[in-house]
Formats: sequence, C-alpha cells, structure tokens
Amino acid sequence: SQQGEEDPQALSIQEGENATMNCSYKTSINNLQWYRQNSGRGLVHLILIRSNEREKHSGRLRVTLDTSKKSSSLLITASRAADTASYFCATDARGSARQLTFGSGTQLTVLP
Amino acid sequence: EAQVTQNPRYLITVTGKKLTVTCSQNMNHEYMSWYRQDPGLGLRQIYYSMNVEVTDKGDVPEGYKVSRKEKRNFPLILESPSPNQTSLYFCASRDRGRGVTEAFFGQGTRLTVV
Repeated sequence: SQQGEEDPQALSIQEGENATMNCSYKTSINNLQWYRQNSGRGLVHLILIRSNEREKHSGRLRVTLDTSKKSSSLLITASRAADTASYFCATDARGSARQLTFGSGTQLTVLP
Repeated sequence: EAQVTQNPRYLITVTGKKLTVTCSQNMNHEYMSWYRQDPGLGLRQIYYSMNVEVTDKGDVPEGYKVSRKEKRNFPLILESPSPNQTSLYFCASRDRGRGVTEAFFGQGTRLTVV
C-alpha cells in the first residue's frame, strides 16, 4: 500500500518561480525523505527530515513536516530548467522493518 | 565510487522464460530492496532484505523471488514472467545505521515481457 501521496501529480512553472510539492502519509514515521528522479533514471536522495523536526533547509530546498497532520512539503526556490524531474516522498515507518515506502510522485516541469 | 549496479539495463523476454536481474552494492549496506515503478503508481516494494539470508515480502511479491546469499548481492528472479510484470525495476540499498539513513538506487532495469 502507498504510504506517501504527493500533491499535485504534475506541476508546471516558469524558471525563477518557486515550486511547492506536498506529501501526505498515514502511519507514524521515524523520518520522511524526498527523492528526485530524472526521466527513467534511478532515484537520488535530496533531503531527510526526522519526526522531531519541523523544518529543514538544504541549498534551494526547504522541507517542512507536520506530524499532527501527517504531511510534509518540499519547496524548491528560484527553480531552474534543470530542476525538471519527478519528486517522491518516502516514509520510514516507526516500528516497521519494511524500509522506505514511496508515494506516486509529482512531475515538475520548469519552463525556461 | 559508492554505487548500486543493476544488470541488465534493458531486457525483452517472452512469457514463461525464467530470468534474473542482478543487483550489487559496494557500500557494505545491510538493507537491500527491490521496487517496481509503473505509471501513476509510484514505486512499489517487491521484496526487501535486512541482512544475509534474511528476506521478506513487500507490497507486490507475487511472481518474484529473491535471495541474499552474500551481503553485496540481491538478485531478483522471475521464474515464469508474464506481461503484467513489464515494468521499470529498481534495486536499492541502505545502511542499517539507526534507521535514519538514505537509500541508494541503481539505474533501473526496464523489462518488457511479450
């Protein structure tokens, strides 16, 4: 079963704009991670936020986590055409040995 | 260079012909997983392994087998492939750590079963 569900499924913006993607999940988690996938390629880890953290930054990335709402958001500031990719959230469920569970992803297109 | 290597990258096969997709990691990770990716469905876990000789089913294990005889290798076996197993497959590995670790992915294997 899918733990994380991203919203929107697809997002198209102009270069320089900010892109926000959301993720909702169902069970208690140890941490939540965001990954990026260029078309047909392997996923690459972007950022991890622990369940006791509310916000985290890495370069142009900002992640928030609201455990009471079981949701997270990924903000990419000042987007570039090279940011065009699919973005997935992955949850690391508390008490589970099943490892990461991925959502269906958000396809981001940044227009030059 | 730290990496997860899958082979082959592309494979076209016929229904019922057994095949194996290999996965190898050079990071001495305990955890390894197989996922399949289908349009609109994201990544779904097929099988995972927490260590040598320890494997367990994920969300969609039917029609697949795995083995973990060595720490670095985690092959995915399709004993009798069917067209509904046409998909993009990913192997991933992860350090056990304290459970707060990132996953490293292979480049994927695109399988077509005709």
